[in-house]
Amino acid sequence: DAGVTQSPTHLIKTRGQQVTLRCSPKSGHDTVSWYQQALGQGPQFIFQYYEEEERQRGNFPDRFSGHQFPNYSSELNVNALLLGDSALYLCASSLYNRAYEQYFGPGTRLTVT
Amino acid sequence: AQSVAQPEDQVNVAEGNPLTVKCTYSVSGNPYLFWYVQYPNRGLQFLLKYITGDNLVKGSYGFEAEFNKSQTSFHLKKPSALVSDSALYFCAVRDTMNTGFQKLVFGTGTRLLVSP
Repeated sequence: DAGVTQSPTHLIKTRGQQVTLRCSPKSGHDTVSWYQQALGQGPQFIFQYYEEEERQRGNFPDRFSGHQFPNYSSELNVNALLLGDSALYLCASSLYNRAYEQYFGPGTRLTVT
Repeated sequence: AQSVAQPEDQVNVAEGNPLTVKCTYSVSGNPYLFWYVQYPNRGLQFLLKYITGDNLVKGSYGFEAEFNKSQTSFHLKKPSALVSDSALYFCAVRDTMNTGFQKLVFGTGTRLLVSP
């Protein structure tokens, strides 16, 4: 058990709605990264948070935003949902200076209808 | 940009036989390479990593990987496959962004099917 938790496990939303996904990192970790994994694909990097700021962003539109709290937990928000946003959203935590050693949570399965 | 390629969408092997899941990489500088496994409806589980040192890296669940610099490959191997090894396997490489922050870049995945 890597210690990273995500909620909810599953979520069904309608096009145009907004969604918030949550992640608690492994104890002692200060950096949180979010990935989107579409069906049959590898995880794609969305963004990474450290010290409550977005530090780097992948090729995702502004509809995807996030937040990191003082306790290092993080949220991923997606606005104006599209059918193509249906995917498994993975949170990974790490230490800032060893951010390549990422521990993944179980993911949140988002279905947009 | 750093990248990895997994040329096989699926690998089929009989239980008890050796298995190999292929990965090639393209990086500037020294590669940090990883293998992860994903079971249905689950997150990614870390198997092993290569950062430096011996070219043969041993990991979890009896898996190992061979780093080959001349062939830019990092193939995952296991001497004797189990039905329970059936899963989706991802190769990944560290990408150090221009800000100094690091992320992982994943391949497209290889589905391993071990038949009884």
